[in-house]
Amino acid sequence: EAGVVQSPRYKIIEKKQPVAFWCNPISGHNTLYWYLQNLGQGPELLIRYENEEAVDDSQLPKDRFSAERLKGVDSTLKIQPAELGDSAVYLCASSLESTGELFFGEGSRLTVL
Amino acid sequence: QQQVKQSPQSLIVQKGGIPIINCAYENTAFDYFPWYQQFPGKGPALLIAIRPDVSEKKEGRFTISFNKSAKQFSLHIMDSQPGDSATYFCAASMGLASSNTGKLIFGQGTTLQVKP
Repeated sequence: EAGVVQSPRYKIIEKKQPVAFWCNPISGHNTLYWYLQNLGQGPELLIRYENEEAVDDSQLPKDRFSAERLKGVDSTLKIQPAELGDSAVYLCASSLESTGELFFGEGSRLTVL
Repeated sequence: QQQVKQSPQSLIVQKGGIPIINCAYENTAFDYFPWYQQFPGKGPALLIAIRPDVSEKKEGRFTISFNKSAKQFSLHIMDSQPGDSATYFCAASMGLASSNTGKLIFGQGTTLQVKP
């Protein structure tokens, strides 16, 4: 069974440019998460979806970050415009139900110059 | 109150040693405590998890000890191997009784090196 798939794995952009990350969760997993992981730190939740609905986006900086999960399957996380401090790894995870085990993708590493 | 504090930040042991990683939390509403293992360039993967109705859980060489009154839990790795070298994260979340269901709060991580 395929795991959580994320792309791109690496992205280097100039500050003020837009960037988008894509995530395809494990088939059948209705809960999808985007986490931010800074270097040497634990992941921090940005947003959680139950099917198409964003049920927890309290940690998402809405002035520059946006996310969508159309049709309740794959999801896109966008940053516009990117800032130097956004350099980090963006992790996507999915679970079969909101209290189940989280399965993480390999992450998208963003470098903002 | 939402924090999970993890120590030590890094740990070096010899092969066969028993590294111990500790975590402490404040929020008594937490009722699910997983440990994740992360290798460089990979996403975290669930290693073992415990709920507060038991004081210890063992899976293979990995053991979680849980002290509800002290609000602490720890990971022990028996007979550690060089392949165990990775970063370990503790985490905590609230379950079905809360609107924060599924929101994992992670510790800061412990980088473990097991020397051959």
